[in-house]
Amino acid sequence: AAGVIQSPRHLIKEKRETATLKCYPIPRHDTVYWYQQGPGQDPQFLISFYEKMQSDKGSIPDRFSAQQFSDYHSELNMSSLELGDSALYFCASSTETGGYGYTFGSGTRLTVV
Amino acid sequence: GQSLEQPSEVTAVEGAIVQINCTYQTSGFYGLSWYQQHDGGAPTFLSYNALDGLEETGRFSSFLSRSDSYGYLLLQELQMKDSASYFCAVRSVDTGRRALTFGSGTRLQVQP
Repeated sequence: AAGVIQSPRHLIKEKRETATLKCYPIPRHDTVYWYQQGPGQDPQFLISFYEKMQSDKGSIPDRFSAQQFSDYHSELNMSSLELGDSALYFCASSTETGGYGYTFGSGTRLTVV
Repeated sequence: GQSLEQPSEVTAVEGAIVQINCTYQTSGFYGLSWYQQHDGGAPTFLSYNALDGLEETGRFSSFLSRSDSYGYLLLQELQMKDSASYFCAVRSVDTGRRALTFGSGTRLQVQP
């Protein structure tokens, strides 16, 4: 079965650089979510999209932005990176008709040096 | 605001039963979910309760009491591979239409 695909798996950036993370949700899933998880922390909700429109916003810094494209893939753009941005970034997708479970991608491990 | 409370660590032996509790405070509650996460891996959906009662899926069961703002995850016939972190998560008006807020996680250690 198709899963949520995230790229890249690992990313190393320097402070003040920009990073772009990509997510390809499960086909026919109508909602995409982005989460940030620091070491030993719970996943923190950043932002979500429903049918390509931003639906909910969590603790996403102003330096970050995201969008969902016509082919349903989503990108998280992160600028002016800080050391504290080092974390695992997960994308998840879901569909209400399929129940309320999210399917998470394998994540992108971002390291800012 | 909202908050979720769950124990930080639980230890049990293979073959045993363990219960992980979760209490929550939120407004406009929709439902309680449980996720499993192995170290370095992605969270994996286990169960969802919107109504009071018990939901059973194989060795895992989840319970919800909306009046008590309380739920639990029950793991039976524990196996070594069940060693992981378990998160409860809520959908509520506070988080928006579908977004989940996760608890801080319970680290389960299964011993031989």
